[in-house]
Amino acid sequence: ILNVEQSPQSLHVQEGDSTNFTCSFPSSNFYALHWYRWETAKSPEALFVMTLNGDEKKKGRISATLNTKEGYSYLYIKGSQPEDSATYLCAPKNTGNQFYFGTGTSLTVIP
Amino acid sequence: EAGVAQSPRYKIIEKRQSVAFWCNPISGHATLYWYQQILGQGPKLLIQFQNNGVVDDSQLPKDRFSAERLKGVDSTLKIQPAKLEDSAVYLCASSPILRAGGDEQFFGPGTRLTVL
Repeated sequence: ILNVEQSPQSLHVQEGDSTNFTCSFPSSNFYALHWYRWETAKSPEALFVMTLNGDEKKKGRISATLNTKEGYSYLYIKGSQPEDSATYLCAPKNTGNQFYFGTGTSLTVIP
Repeated sequence: EAGVAQSPRYKIIEKRQSVAFWCNPISGHATLYWYQQILGQGPKLLIQFQNNGVVDDSQLPKDRFSAERLKGVDSTLKIQPAKLEDSAVYLCASSPILRAGGDEQFFGPGTRLTVL
């Protein structure tokens, strides 16, 4: 079982604030890292799939970076909006084809 | 493009009863996943299929859980008999193909199971 840690567990920010979360995972046998957004009453939605050390991906106001050598990824949201309120899940995959989700960071953006 | 379909959306059963969930992935997606998400935890992978073959079922409690994907398309997950701790949301996801890095997964709406 992969030890995947996400922090913080929950976060409340004001509309317009920028924020970031952390996903930590074992660096050995790394294969890929997925980020998902899960809004209440909806299905999880893929944000990014990252594979290379130093990877940086961006989708609108959301971006993510990856450090496979030290085993962490950051997710950034610039200028948070109420519609960004969701749980953000990371899921690393190792070379043994094991795929584990973290417990997520619950973000609430206050208008 | 139609998304991943799951049924039922909600199910309430007594402990020791049996239950089955159904999933129809996105057309053409070779890989299908079943997850169990217990309140306060991240989704836990139960089983992963590539077409109709099992790729990973290491976290499936095989004494009570079973899953099949006979024709490489839709899939069923069964619990027999159910325990109280099986209360969870059961998510099905699919992705186009199993390849290096992994494809993003497309999730269905989930089935919320309550075991009384």
